[in-house]
Amino acid sequence: GQNIDQPTEMTATEGAIVQINCTYQTSGFNGLFWYQQHAGEAPTFLSYNVLDGLEEKGRFSSFLSRSKGYSYLLLKELQMKDSASYLCAAVDSNYQLIWGAGTKLIIKP
Amino acid sequence: GAVVSQHPSWVICKSGTSVKIECRSLDFQATTMFWYRQFPKQSLMLMATSNEGSKATYEQGVEKDKFLINHASLTLSTLTVTSAHPEDSSFYICSARGGGDIDIQYFGAGTRLSVL
Repeated sequence: GQNIDQPTEMTATEGAIVQINCTYQTSGFNGLFWYQQHAGEAPTFLSYNVLDGLEEKGRFSSFLSRSKGYSYLLLKELQMKDSASYLCAAVDSNYQLIWGAGTKLIIKP
Repeated sequence: GAVVSQHPSWVICKSGTSVKIECRSLDFQATTMFWYRQFPKQSLMLMATSNEGSKATYEQGVEKDKFLINHASLTLSTLTVTSAHPEDSSFYICSARGGGDIDIQYFGAGTRLSVL
């Protein structure tokens, strides 16, 4: 079956760095998305990786290893507004998104 | 980035009534639109996928006669919850795909449905 695993909740301190991991098992693979979702709001697009390696975009970076079925989202210089859920979603062979349950990130002052 | 508008953002209705939710892609043509449902503290659950001009494809366990989807144009899809009941109360989110070389789904702001 298809499966996405990511931690349920993480806590970090303002100004620090946090890494949110995601492992996936899908029938075929056509890339991996990271979305941010604040409570009561819809998800917003953060990143898309289809090739191995690190993609950097400002304070946020996303990494992919296709051979390991693994990705992570790296958030630097954490701000209070980064408190949100972070959703990992893999694209399968039918170009359908397989969603993880999300990681709730709590930022403390 | 691409903008998807979803309306209404909040609706309260009586049990037995029908509710229509609109999803519009404002600055791009959406080849495919998706409808999701999300319960508190849970991830997105795909309900159906709709392509312009064709019937929607429903996920297993989703009643197509209960949740009517119409994708009349490349910029508009509607979800109608027919004869709503309290158990249909949830957060409904649409997304639209298209307008670029990466199949990013852009999400509407969501509709919070409360059925009394």
